[in-house]
Amino acid sequence: QITLKESGPTLVKPTQTLTLTCTFSGFSLSTSGVGVGWIRQPPGKALEWLALIYWDDDKRYSPSLKSRLTITKDTSKNQVVLTMTNMDPVDTATYYCAHRLTGFDYWGQGTLVTVSS
Amino acid sequence: QSALTQPPSASGSPGQSVTISCTGTSSDVGGYNYVSWYQQHPGKAPKLMIYEVSKRPSGVPDRFSGSKSGNTASLTVSGLQAEDEADYYCNSYAGSNNFEVFGGGTKLTVL
Repeated sequence: QITLKESGPTLVKPTQTLTLTCTFSGFSLSTSGVGVGWIRQPPGKALEWLALIYWDDDKRYSPSLKSRLTITKDTSKNQVVLTMTNMDPVDTATYYCAHRLTGFDYWGQGTLVTVSS
Repeated sequence: QSALTQPPSASGSPGQSVTISCTGTSSDVGGYNYVSWYQQHPGKAPKLMIYEVSKRPSGVPDRFSGSKSGNTASLTVSGLQAEDEADYYCNSYAGSNNFEVFGGGTKLTVL
């Protein structure tokens, strides 16, 4: 049974750096073909893909946010970490992590991050 | 503005069929057979309904089907049921530069 759960601050101030952790179980991020991605959704708006890391440490980023994002994995801890620098109120959103093999086939429950002073 | 274009809304009566379109370009939808569709109920995480254009994950009813023609992918829901009322998002691989793109979402209403 694959599960994922996001954790991190619920409130960050503008210009701060956001660090989110995705803790997962039921699969290994060292298995060929497997990836973990981050997707966000501002309140009432559409999904936006942010970043993806694969079993072989290949990393992909949204071109529009690439300069602000870093994705890393700790295979031994079953965790993927996303950092986003220079947070702005427009970054207020629910942030999801998801297992990727055949599409994003398993999702975490999401965590709402509010950016406000 | 989302990279893939979806109609903001769609509707149908119980038992009817409805098709939701997802229009991209030859750099995403038209260039690869890696289109996925996600269903999202209010306050819930998205759920994968279709992957690789037309494949259904285990447990997804066969009332849901996907197809693609040129730069436009489509999700068809047949035999509409009340529980199908949700937001639907398409997603496509977009090459090594853009990688993943989502559509703007379609709110499906079961009348």
